[in-house]
Parts: sequence; C-alpha cells; structure tokens
Amino acid sequence: GAGVSQSPRYKVAKRGQDVALRCDPISGHVSLFWYQQALGQGPEFLTYFQNEAQLDKSGLPSDRFFAERPEGSVSTLKIQRTQQEDSAVYLCASSPLRGQATEAFFGQGTRLTVV
Amino acid sequence: KQEVTQIPAALSVPEGENLVLNCSFTDSAIYNLQWFRQDPGKGLTSLLLIQSSQREQTSGRLNASLDKSSGRSTLYIAASQPGDSATYLCAVRLAGGGNKLTFGTGTQLKVEL
Repeated sequence: GAGVSQSPRYKVAKRGQDVALRCDPISGHVSLFWYQQALGQGPEFLTYFQNEAQLDKSGLPSDRFFAERPEGSVSTLKIQRTQQEDSAVYLCASSPLRGQATEAFFGQGTRLTVV
Repeated sequence: KQEVTQIPAALSVPEGENLVLNCSFTDSAIYNLQWFRQDPGKGLTSLLLIQSSQREQTSGRLNASLDKSSGRSTLYIAASQPGDSATYLCAVRLAGGGNKLTFGTGTQLKVEL
C-alpha cells in the first residue's frame, strides 16, 4: 500500500482481555516503531525493529506488552491482561533505512479503550 | 533524559494571521528534529525534517528553524487558513540514541474564519 496501515482502527476490550494490534509498514521499509499516545499527550516510544530484530524495547511499560515482527515486514503489538491505564492510541511508524535517522511515516493508529 | 516542551499548549488566531509555534528540548545532542501535524482521530503527518547541521527548512507556507545549541526550534506558519487547524507536534532524535523520537505534548491550533 501507499502508507503505513494499522488494524483495527478501534478496539474495545474488557479489563483482563488480551489484544493484538497489527501494523503493515510501507513496503521495503527496514525500520518499524511502536508508540503509545495517551489523551492530550505526545506519543511515547515503546519499541523499535530493524527488519525482524527488536533492537530497542526500553519503552514497553510492563511485561504484559510484547511486540514481534517475525518476517521483517508486518508487526504485531500484543497486550496481555489489559488494564484501564492501557487505554490509548497505539501508533506505528516505519522508516526506509537502517541505522540512520530518516523521516518516519506514521499510520493512523489503533484507539484502544479498556472498559 | 531528553525532555521536549511546546509552547503554547493551545492557540486560536483569525484567518490570515502569521504565527509561530515554539519547541524546546533539554539535550542539544540531537540528530534531527521533525515537525508533525495531527488531525483529530488521525495519525501523524510529517511536515518538515531538519537535520542537526541545518538552520531551517521551508515547505510552502511553513518554515521551521533550529537552534541546536540553545535547544530551540520554531515553526512559522504564514497566512494561516482554517485548514491549518490541528495539533502540531515536534519530536527530536538523539544522536547515538537509536532512531526513536521524543515528542513534545503539542500545540493545538485553531484558525478561525
């Protein structure tokens, strides 16, 4: 596709439920990022992949959060036993080059509401 | 830890006015700085990317400046239009800090008819 695609766009989960959020980066992009954006705040870094390798997961808030990119393309962010504080917009971004700071292209995000 | 601050948090101006949005960061060892626009319920659209060696970048009615030593960037919007209404976010990448972006909390702009 032409841009970064995320699905679902909206997700309502009951507290304690597991969720999986999908990101399809721009074709050929090496780098992939996940960010979490709480209401009224700027996005906060969660994790970074270079191809299939997860090079930085320092932003994941707890061990309930897990991300993977097994074939170096599509990525999934999984949240286990969701809690109300997990409610946020989850943004995915991709960049074309490795190890070099280039422009990041963002998807439209998945809005997660935990009730 | 890098902290990014944006002032003002919200701004309302009449159509046609020129305006300046401010961004400051605490660690001047940045690789580059990027300005984004976010419309309600949408993702981020990149507006301008300034490398640390550059002083400014221009795109249409937008001009972004960077003063790395003082930890400041400004986004200048000329002849504002109602379609410019959105939240504007600045983000920095630390040199040697990988590719992750550190964002400010944004400036919510409303351009009124």
